[in-house]
Amino acid sequence: QIQVVQSGPEVKKPGASVKVRCEASGYTFSSYAITWVRQAPGQGLEWMGWISPSSGNTNYAQKFQGRVTLTTDTSTSTAYMEMRSLRSDDTAVYYCARFNAIHGCGDYWGQGTLVTVSS
Amino acid sequence: DIQMTQSPSTLSASVGDRVTITCRASQSIGNWLAWYQQKPGKAPKVLIYQASALESGVPSRFSGSGSGTEFTLTISSLQPDDFANYYCQQYNSHWTFGQGTKVEIK
Repeated sequence: QIQVVQSGPEVKKPGASVKVRCEASGYTFSSYAITWVRQAPGQGLEWMGWISPSSGNTNYAQKFQGRVTLTTDTSTSTAYMEMRSLRSDDTAVYYCARFNAIHGCGDYWGQGTLVTVSS
Repeated sequence: DIQMTQSPSTLSASVGDRVTITCRASQSIGNWLAWYQQKPGKAPKVLIYQASALESGVPSRFSGSGSGTEFTLTISSLQPDDFANYYCQQYNSHWTFGQGTKVEIK
């Protein structure tokens, strides 16, 4: 069965960087993009970007361009989201999901990774 | 970027009620619209994709309609498990989510 499993919670200080891991299994990893979405406490969903494992092509939301880097390792079917220069308002749950481009949606989601930014 | 306006933000309803949530896009998105259900502490779950296609395993009481800029999610007979937050999401190269609708017990 298809599974998407993310790395555990992180606590970072303002100005630091964080790298969240997203490991997929049960399907051909290179055949689907991975998308990233975050959700601040008590708030809605915010799209960050997506990456195609087969080509390495990325597409970022303008808000995150230059501060977020999405990468993949096809040998381990793993995607990564790195965010730099963290601020307190980056405190959120970060989700990765398999992006089904034919359907235009995320069809399998990770469990989420809480990133807390606090001094 | 395309903006998605979702309404209402909160909806109070009873078990058995017919419920409708609306999403409006700032420009035409064809049928590139998905609906998600999210429960507290859980990841979103896709219910509807391409505006009206029911995701596998999703109960048939959920339905979606619309195209262009106006879309609706309908729950034909609200069940106890349906009290949750709902989001629309458009796909046009980039994604955008609506602000969300909380469906609560009346």
